[in-house]
Amino acid sequence: QKEVEQDPGPLSVPEGAIVSLNCTYSNSAFQYFMWYRQYSRKGPELLMYTYSSGNKEDGRFTAQVDKSSKYISLFIRDSQPSDSATYLCAMSSYSGGGADGLTFGKGTHLIIQP
Amino acid sequence: DVKVTQSSRYLVKRTGEKVFLECVQDMDHENMFWYRQDPGLGLRLIYFSYDVKMKEKGDIPEGYSVSREKKERFSLILESASTNQTSMYLCASPPVADFYSNQPQHFGDGTRLSIL
Repeated sequence: QKEVEQDPGPLSVPEGAIVSLNCTYSNSAFQYFMWYRQYSRKGPELLMYTYSSGNKEDGRFTAQVDKSSKYISLFIRDSQPSDSATYLCAMSSYSGGGADGLTFGKGTHLIIQP
Repeated sequence: DVKVTQSSRYLVKRTGEKVFLECVQDMDHENMFWYRQDPGLGLRLIYFSYDVKMKEKGDIPEGYSVSREKKERFSLILESASTNQTSMYLCASPPVADFYSNQPQHFGDGTRLSIL
């Protein structure tokens, strides 16, 4: 059964803090893991994309995957007010075409206080 | 600049009406998806298409149908709209980032549909 758990928040932190966002999942077939950012009244925007276990860094963002624990994380360093948004984790068993869609967490609402 | 465009940002319809939501992508991708997004439930997959005239049911297809007559256009149809179909509808293409070509998935900005 597809299931992804994500704390909806809101999570409120001061500007400059390190933010940690997390998801857990139950389907061991998931191999591709994504984080999306969604601003109000906009579609989700892909932030990070990783395969299997390990870390990936892109600027102020770091994604971690621990498949043994079925746990993924997104870290945001030096958080800015512009980072205030809803963050969605998503995962899939497949890479590109022929996939059966993404399974999403419900999203965490993040607020960065100036 | 690649784009997924949904024809309407806001739409208000009445119970029992047949409703069409349109999505167009300019990336020449085979795969297109329709999700709905509801508070507390997140994004849920309704239907997807991996080629022209091909369609597959997602997790919540009941009350919906789709049409893919051309590669760039994927339509979601509410056969007889009901109030429980009031939601944000999001179109996406392709389904996931292509890991080897590092192409990001693209979502439209959504259609907020209200059924009265």
